[in-house]
Amino acid sequence: TQLLEQSPQFLSIQEGENLTVYCNSSSVFSSLQWYRQEPGEGPVLLVTVVTGGEVKKLKRLTFQFGDARKDSSLHITAAQPGDTGLYLCAGERSNFGNEKLTFGTGTRLTIIP
Amino acid sequence: EPEVTQTPSHQVTQMGQEVILRCVPISNHLYFYWYRQILGQKVEFLVSFYNNEISEKSEIFDDQFSVERPDGSNFTLKIRSTKLEDSAMYFCASKAGTGGEKLFFGSGTQLSVL
Repeated sequence: TQLLEQSPQFLSIQEGENLTVYCNSSSVFSSLQWYRQEPGEGPVLLVTVVTGGEVKKLKRLTFQFGDARKDSSLHITAAQPGDTGLYLCAGERSNFGNEKLTFGTGTRLTIIP
Repeated sequence: EPEVTQTPSHQVTQMGQEVILRCVPISNHLYFYWYRQILGQKVEFLVSFYNNEISEKSEIFDDQFSVERPDGSNFTLKIRSTKLEDSAMYFCASKAGTGGEKLFFGSGTQLSVL
């Protein structure tokens, strides 16, 4: 069974601060996806990283895939109250076929105005 | 942006009853999934479906569960005899293809088994 552990589980910081969320596994994934989930809604894809060492930026969010493709991080610069939400990482074993996603345990982020 | 639509948004049922959760995937999508999320826990894979058959199912997806694509638009999840532990948010998802295509999730059906 492939497991994805996220840390921290909960994070509460002041507006304007920077933060990093981690997603770790002992297994190799062909790709890692980051989702954001609002209460009562389904996860919404933020980014997909595919290549080991890959870095992708989405405005103030920076996503990195570990060199060995076992871990990933999400860094938010100058956090805003609108960044509040549940952040999920999810991995795919392959990019081909009808591959399922293995989800991480989630990080609940609260940005205090 | 196109949406995956799920109905109902909430379903309350008595233990032992059958429930059908309905999903309308995005129209040109070919790959369909059901996931569930028990309150406070992580999102778990249930089943994947392609070309009118199940591609993969998890240990959760036992004989009480079934999926169907009865027409060209709907994708349903049936639980034959619900148990208390089936209470969860059930998400339908679809994507157009493989090789990194984006997966779209519906807003979910909150199932409460009493």
